[in-house]
Amino acid sequence: AQSVAQPEDQVNVAEGNPLTVKCTYSVSGNPYLFWYVQYPNRGLQFLLKYITGDNLVKGSYGFEAEFNKSQTSFHLKKPSALVSDSALYFCAVRVLNQAGTALIFGKGTTLSVSS
Amino acid sequence: DSGVTQTPKHLITATGQRVTLRCSPRSGDLSVYWYQQSLDQGLQFLIQYYNGEERAKGNILERFSAQQFPDLHSELNLSSLELGDSALYFCASSVVGSNTGELFFGEGSRLTVL
Repeated sequence: AQSVAQPEDQVNVAEGNPLTVKCTYSVSGNPYLFWYVQYPNRGLQFLLKYITGDNLVKGSYGFEAEFNKSQTSFHLKKPSALVSDSALYFCAVRVLNQAGTALIFGKGTTLSVSS
Repeated sequence: DSGVTQTPKHLITATGQRVTLRCSPRSGDLSVYWYQQSLDQGLQFLIQYYNGEERAKGNILERFSAQQFPDLHSELNLSSLELGDSALYFCASSVVGSNTGELFFGEGSRLTVL
């Protein structure tokens, strides 16, 4: 079965320090991978995606993610965390169907950045 | 603002009742997806519609049903409600054919079953 896993429920980091939010996946074929962010009482917002090409993908708000095929991972990173980055982060994998796409999401990781 | 509109934002009802959640996708998007978000289950894919037809099913209960109308808005019907149905229900839409997989989410409808 195609799935995505986020092994950490919560990640705590001090402002200015680098952050990593982990994601591993299991899919057949080439993976299409995504990161979304959810702020309190809001819907999910797209951050970045990997479809093909460079293993390091850059996205919104200074975030980037590294695709590692051998480790089946797609970890989200940021060189210097901000307090405003505190939110719930979801990794997702695209599942193909007849007419388009559906995304299967991980359980989410709460990122807490302290000042 | 994602361009996806969901109503109502909040809904409180009793067990055994039936409710309808409404979603208007972004202009031009033909696909609509419904997701349920709860603390214990996380974000669960329920169902997808494309141009009025059901295209994919996820973890949707038999007590739940959905449809997409000719104007492309969608409704999610939840019946015989149970306490465990309390959750945040999200609608998302996508540009079919772009193959990017990016979904645009509404702000959700929070359902509380008492």
